[in-house]
Amino acid sequence: SQTIHQWPATLVQPVGSPLSLECTVEGTSNPNLYWYRQAAGRGLQLLFYSVGIGQISSEVPQNLSASRPQDRQFILSSKKLLLSDSGFYLCAWSRGEAHSPLHFGNGTRLTVT
Amino acid sequence: QKEVEQDPGPLSVPEGAIVSLNCTYSNSAFQYFMWYRQYSRKGPELLMYTYSSGNKEDGRFTAQVDKSSKYISLFIRDSQPSDSATYLCAMSKGDDKIIFGKGTRLHILP
Repeated sequence: SQTIHQWPATLVQPVGSPLSLECTVEGTSNPNLYWYRQAAGRGLQLLFYSVGIGQISSEVPQNLSASRPQDRQFILSSKKLLLSDSGFYLCAWSRGEAHSPLHFGNGTRLTVT
Repeated sequence: QKEVEQDPGPLSVPEGAIVSLNCTYSNSAFQYFMWYRQYSRKGPELLMYTYSSGNKEDGRFTAQVDKSSKYISLFIRDSQPSDSATYLCAMSKGDDKIIFGKGTRLHILP
């Protein structure tokens, strides 16, 4: 069966510090990978998605970037965090098929102070 | 008009009642419909996945799609306190983009 791991679960970082959140998927190959941010009252905002190694599509221009160095690894990064980057970050995967549902990790709650 | 609309709630119902959660949408091209359950501080968990119109049942859960009305529903029978969570609807046209509702908070009262 497939599993998705996302860490850390919580993170408190000062403004201006770098960020690296990691997500890995097991039990499948060539998945589509996604980073979402969830804010209270705003629902799920798609940040990045990837259909293959090194292929990243950005949905919202902002202070964040994503990379996919391996088939089942997806990393969300920032060089300098802003207060507005605080939120609940979710990684998700789907099969590389057009109509596959998403499967989410348990998220990282990021607080920028 | 938003692509997907979902009442945020909260919706409070007594234990054992039938719960009805709903979403409306504006894009008639949506063909695949999903319901997710999200507990506090956890990621959303896929509950139901349906294609086109009709009903799909899984245990105490029934998903219903009415494409003519652009309306989808999730029914929970014999509701339990453990069903208390936020429920998100989601839909897609069959490409890689999935559109989510903002979620309905549900409280089952013991």
